Amino acid sequence: EVQLVESGGGLVQPGGSLRLSCVGSGFNFRTYWMSWVRQAPGQGLEWVTYINPDGSETFYVDSVRGRFTISRDNARNSMYLQMTSLRAEDTALYFCTRAPRNLDFWGQGALVTVSS
Amino acid sequence: DVVMTQSPLSLPVTLGQPASISCRSSQSLVYIDGVTLLHWFQQRPGQSPRRLIARVSDRESGVPDRFSGSGSGTVFTLHITSVEAEDVGVYYCMQGTHWPFTFGQGTKLEIK
Repeated sequence: EVQLVESGGGLVQPGGSLRLSCVGSGFNFRTYWMSWVRQAPGQGLEWVTYINPDGSETFYVDSVRGRFTISRDNARNSMYLQMTSLRAEDTALYFCTRAPRNLDFWGQGALVTVSS
Repeated sequence: DVVMTQSPLSLPVTLGQPASISCRSSQSLVYIDGVTLLHWFQQRPGQSPRRLIARVSDRESGVPDRFSGSGSGTVFTLHITSVEAEDVGVYYCMQGTHWPFTFGQGTKLEIK
C-alpha cells in the first residue's frame, strides 16, 4: 500500500524557517517524481514545487521561488521542503504528493502556521 | 499560467439525482506524448484530496462507476449519474501539462 507521511509542521513567526519532511513507503520511491501542494485554511489547492527522481531538477511557483527549497534523500525514501522567510500567506496545510503531472497519491498533510 | 475555470462553484443536489461539473482551461492540455493531463479530485470534509479520474476519463480503482469524466482540448466535465451522501465534498480539476500546474477553484457539492 502506498503511503506518504508528512511531518515537521508547526507555528513559526513571520520571517522564520521550517523544514517539512515526507516519507514514502509501499512503492519504489527513488523512481518517482515528487511534489508539494498546499491548501490555505478554507481555500483551494495550490501548487508549490516538484522534484525529479534523482533530485537534479526542481521547479517552483513564483510565490515561493528563492524562499523554499525542495530536496530528497532516496536512501531514506524521503523528500523535504525547506521554507525560509516565511510569510503569513504561507500558512497552509502542506501535502506531500506523488507524480506531479498526475498526483496519484497524497499524504495527510502537515500544517504550517505563520503568525506572531 | 494556464487558468482552470470550474462551474458551478456551488452544487446543491438531491440524493439520487445526476450532477455535472464543468472545467475549462485557457490553453490546450494535450501533453507532448499526446495524452491530455486533466484530472479530477475529490476532497471530502476533513480529508486529503484523492484522485477520482485521471487523464480526462480513466476512473481510479475503487471509485464508484457513477463517476465519469469526458472532454477534450479545453473543455472537460465530471459526471455523477446518481449522487449519494458520501459524495459531499469539494471537487477540483487540475492540469498537469503546463508548469506551473494549476487547479480549478473547486466546486462544493452538497445535498439539498
